[in-house]
Amino acid sequence: NAGVMQNPRHLVRRRGQEARLRCSPMKGHSHVYWYRQLPEEGLKFMVYLQKENIIDESGMPKERFSAEFPKEGPSILRIQQVVRGDSAAYFCASSPSGGAGDTQYFGPGTRLTVL
Amino acid sequence: GDSVTQMEGPVTLSEEAFLTINCTYTATGYPSLFWYVQYPGEGLQLLLKATKADDKGSNKGFEATYRKETTSFHLEKGSVQVSDSAVYFCALSLYSSASKIIFGSGTRLSIRP
Repeated sequence: NAGVMQNPRHLVRRRGQEARLRCSPMKGHSHVYWYRQLPEEGLKFMVYLQKENIIDESGMPKERFSAEFPKEGPSILRIQQVVRGDSAAYFCASSPSGGAGDTQYFGPGTRLTVL
Repeated sequence: GDSVTQMEGPVTLSEEAFLTINCTYTATGYPSLFWYVQYPGEGLQLLLKATKADDKGSNKGFEATYRKETTSFHLEKGSVQVSDSAVYFCALSLYSSASKIIFGSGTRLSIRP
């Protein structure tokens, strides 16, 4: 049973470039969540998606960040024109449903470094 | 707003010592409460959870009891091992916004042999 898969595990970008982070949820899970972890801090919710729909994007920065979860393929978190402050670990989680108390299963994360 | 406050680290203990990591929360509704653990270089793993008042979550020798009267969910273990060294996160999710997990800032635990 494969868990949540994220790639790449490490990504280095120069300021102004684009970063694309991919997340494949666990088999049978149709709910995906993205979180960001800044150094020495806890995780902060960014966005919650179901297939082809953004359900809650209250934690997403208003500019440069976007997320999608297409009918086929992985969920993508896209950061345009990256800045040094975007350097962080980005974690994806998935769950079978979006219900209260539902367990979210986390991937290993993508560590983004912006030079 | 809704938030989680947990004991600041790092916490350093000797093997077989008793562990307590304090966690308190503020929530407008009736949250579910979680403890997650993050080993070096890895993602988060759910350690235990409790979904209503007075529930006790337990796993791998760790326990935490959902205390509504004190809004707390302290993590305990009677005898820690070197392999328990990790960062521990207390977290909550609200029924009204079940999609979002709100995390504390994490407590780094180091166990000396």
